[in-house]
Amino acid sequence: SQELEQSPQSLIVQEGKNLTINCTSSKTLYGLYWYKQKYGEGLIFLMMLQKGGEEKSHEKITAKLDEKKQQSSLHITASQPSHAGIYLCGADQYNFNKFYFGSGTKLNVKP
Amino acid sequence: DAGVIQSPRHEVTEMGQEVTLRCKPISGHNSLFWYRQTMMRGLELLIYFNNNVPIDDSGMPEDRFSAKMPNASFSTLKIQPSEPRDSAVYFCASSLRLARGTDTQYFGPGTRLTVL
Repeated sequence: SQELEQSPQSLIVQEGKNLTINCTSSKTLYGLYWYKQKYGEGLIFLMMLQKGGEEKSHEKITAKLDEKKQQSSLHITASQPSHAGIYLCGADQYNFNKFYFGSGTKLNVKP
Repeated sequence: DAGVIQSPRHEVTEMGQEVTLRCKPISGHNSLFWYRQTMMRGLELLIYFNNNVPIDDSGMPEDRFSAKMPNASFSTLKIQPSEPRDSAVYFCASSLRLARGTDTQYFGPGTRLTVL
């Protein structure tokens, strides 16, 4: 989607390393969502951020939303092979009737 | 709760045939979304229902695609006639949308459609 840009498009890291995935919007976000998808499967909800400056953590994954509510990052600490998959950000933007997803970041964690 | 249920999980059909995909949302959810995912275009929103009413279908590719939600527990996405370029994974998602920015969508496992 041109509305949400994710970077990098793909990432290969060694097990135990930290990594960060970014999601950027040109418009103010009313809600930012992070999902994980394994090949051939549906999307699994990870976290939702609503307020500028908000930060949430679940196990070794931390997501942040900047104060302007236009950029979010997903940080994985001490990555494991189980973290491998495609991470997508989704957002409810200025148009109430639209929901956009980024193009995704493919993560591969080498044991 | 069983989560969002989609059927069939896989569908192989020939060009020109009618295809119907089915979705049962999570009980109590008031919004339902149909998405299409391809390698080239990523995840695209096709149509969105709120309280069984289609709110925005601007993502529907063309008139060959139609979606219905006759009640709160069932929705269909129909393609007639199907074409090879319709081959993709189609996802259904549901949510309890109370206000903007509170829309956590829960996805079904998807239907992998192949049109020969």
